[in-house]
Amino acid sequence: GQQLNQSPQSMFIQEGEDVSMNCTSSSIFNTWLWYKQDPGEGPVLLIALYKAGELTSNGRLTAQFGITRKDSFLNISASIPSDVGIYFCAGQLGGYGGSQGNLIFGKGTKLSVKP
Amino acid sequence: KAGVTQTPRYLIKTRGQQVTLSCSPISGHRSVSWYQQTPGQGLQFLFEYFSETQRNKGNFPGRFSGRQFSNSRSEMNVSTLELGDSALYLCASSISITGELFFGEGSRLTVL
Repeated sequence: GQQLNQSPQSMFIQEGEDVSMNCTSSSIFNTWLWYKQDPGEGPVLLIALYKAGELTSNGRLTAQFGITRKDSFLNISASIPSDVGIYFCAGQLGGYGGSQGNLIFGKGTKLSVKP
Repeated sequence: KAGVTQTPRYLIKTRGQQVTLSCSPISGHRSVSWYQQTPGQGLQFLFEYFSETQRNKGNFPGRFSGRQFSNSRSEMNVSTLELGDSALYLCASSISITGELFFGEGSRLTVL
């Protein structure tokens, strides 16, 4: 089946640092979504991208839809302790009018505070 | 605006039993999807309902089933539980069949 390769799997952050993570695939996607999940909670939508090359910000978060439509990245600037959690990318095949079954999730990037 | 509500939040069952999980979507959302989340497999799509019709089904055995009611509320059922069914079951709703899913907090099922 379709797969998304999300990296890194985990990373440690120090307050104030910038963070980058990305998702790649061999498939072409029409939508890219980024979610964050805190322990014991469901994923929360952070950013949605609908066009190749699109760059969208949400506060300290910036995400881009890759030109090839096979990748996306998420940057977090000036990280703070509440940024810890698991970040998921999700790519949707089939475009608008498709199905949620066409939404493929990455395995997640776990952000932890540097000891 | 109330979010997606899932009940129960936690439950423990034994092998062979069955379980029913409930999901109330955000008001006005007609599409409900279910996902299974495990540490090893991540988020895996179970099924999607829109206007009481199952639109799509993931690669899960027939023991997993669901339905949607006229008020868009949805239930999923797992029969003949196995140890491997232990997971966080997430329900998500959206206004239509697009990618902007809004997730509930999940129902954590433990099978002993």
